[in-house]
Amino acid sequence: EAGVAQSPRYKIIEKRQSVAFWCNPISGHATLYWYQQILGQGPKLLIQFQNNGVVDDSQLPKDRFSAERLKGVDSTLKIQPAKLEDSAVYLCASSLSGFLRTEAFFGQGTRLTVV
Amino acid sequence: AQRVTQPEKLLSVFKGAPVELKCNYSYSGSPELFWYVQYSRQRLQLLLRHISRESIKGFTADLNKGETSFHLKKPFAQEEDSAMYYCALTDSGYALNFGKGTSLLVTP
Repeated sequence: EAGVAQSPRYKIIEKRQSVAFWCNPISGHATLYWYQQILGQGPKLLIQFQNNGVVDDSQLPKDRFSAERLKGVDSTLKIQPAKLEDSAVYLCASSLSGFLRTEAFFGQGTRLTVV
Repeated sequence: AQRVTQPEKLLSVFKGAPVELKCNYSYSGSPELFWYVQYSRQRLQLLLRHISRESIKGFTADLNKGETSFHLKKPFAQEEDSAMYYCALTDSGYALNFGKGTSLLVTP
C-alpha cells in the first residue's frame, strides 16, 4: 500500500519567517499525528486528529504553531514565526484507529532548519 | 506523567553476540508498550508491540511490571540489525510517548 507522504523533505528558513508542511496519510486512515523530533531526542507528539477533529493538541505551541486537517484527509502544519529552537524533523503518521488497535505508519519527515 | 527512559544512547555489539536494549517506564496505570525501529534512510516503523507477544526478526520483549521495564532482546545480533531503536508507550491507545532512542551498531 502507498505510504504516508510528506512534503517538502527539507526546508531552510530564517528565524521569524513562516513555513508550512503538508501530509497525505494512507487512504482510509482516520487518525493522523504530527510529531516533532529534535536531534538526539525521540519524537514528541504535537497534535492528533481523529478524522477532521482535534483529539489532543496539549503540546502544540499554539502561539506559533497551527495545524488543520481539512475534510479529514490531508493535513498541514504551520509555524509562524519560526524560532531557532524549531529546527527539527517533523513527522506525520497515520493509523486506522489509534496506535493500540492498529499499526501506525510514519512518513519520511520534513527536516526544518531555522537559521 | 508518562515517561520512557532508554539509558543507552549507543550500544555496540559484535555479530552473533546477544543484544539487549533497555527500556524503563514510569506510569501508574497499565500502559501498552512498543518498540519502533528506524534503519538508515528509512522511515520509523513498528518492530513489535507488547500486546501481540510476538517475535519479529528474532527480537522479543517482555513486559516486567514489577521492574517497569520492557527490554528488547535478540540472542544473536546481525549486521542488518544496526539501526535506531525507540521504546514507546501509550495509555490511551492513541498518542505514543517515545524514549530518546538507542543506536545499535552491530560490527562484523
